Amino acid sequence: GESVGLHLPTLSVQEGDNSIINCAYSNSASDYFIWYKQESGKGPQFIIDIRSNMDKRQGQRVTVLLNKTVKHLSLQIAATQPGDSAVYFCADRGSGGSNYKLTFGKGTLLTVNP
Amino acid sequence: EPEVTQTPSHQVTQMGQEVILRCVPISNHLYFYWYRQILGQKVEFLVSFYNNEISEKSEIFDDQFSVERPDGSNFTLKIRSTKLEDSAMYFCASRMSTGTNQPQHFGDGTRLSIL
Repeated sequence: GESVGLHLPTLSVQEGDNSIINCAYSNSASDYFIWYKQESGKGPQFIIDIRSNMDKRQGQRVTVLLNKTVKHLSLQIAATQPGDSAVYFCADRGSGGSNYKLTFGKGTLLTVNP
Repeated sequence: EPEVTQTPSHQVTQMGQEVILRCVPISNHLYFYWYRQILGQKVEFLVSFYNNEISEKSEIFDDQFSVERPDGSNFTLKIRSTKLEDSAMYFCASRMSTGTNQPQHFGDGTRLSIL
């Protein structure tokens, strides 16, 4: 079936280190991807997105890389801070066009140790 | 920064009762969505809504579910006769109308507990 999933359920890093969270998707028609951060008791918070015609996109301390050949997405967080501790989801809209639905992965729990 | 707001934050309901979950999307958004997240599981799509009608719905969104935009600001999800398995976090999301590559923005959810 069509799904978006994450390789690792948990990731623990030291404060100040860089974090890399990975995601595999199976729908080769997917043309838009979003990373969300979910803190405890909160809803998914938009971090960064990328279209399928791009390989890389940078934001503030975050970079998303897209490898369409192997259908792999990653989120890199530079100089990870305790406030970055959360569950991170990648989400895929398939080729849904303007009124798309999102398919979420299971999430990776990032823990930042001081 | 504008945000999606949801009420109540926690709803406890007896099985078989009706429940209405409320959302106020971001004001200039025109696409609206409901998702749910069962504890420990991933976020699942329920329904999308645009131009006062349902655009798409999932298998979860059966005849017991309905959505409504009763006025220019609210977007509601109704479950007519709740079941134990309806217990979950329910998230509302909205999106801008301009451009196809715009992210959905989520509220903080309503935790629905069915007893």
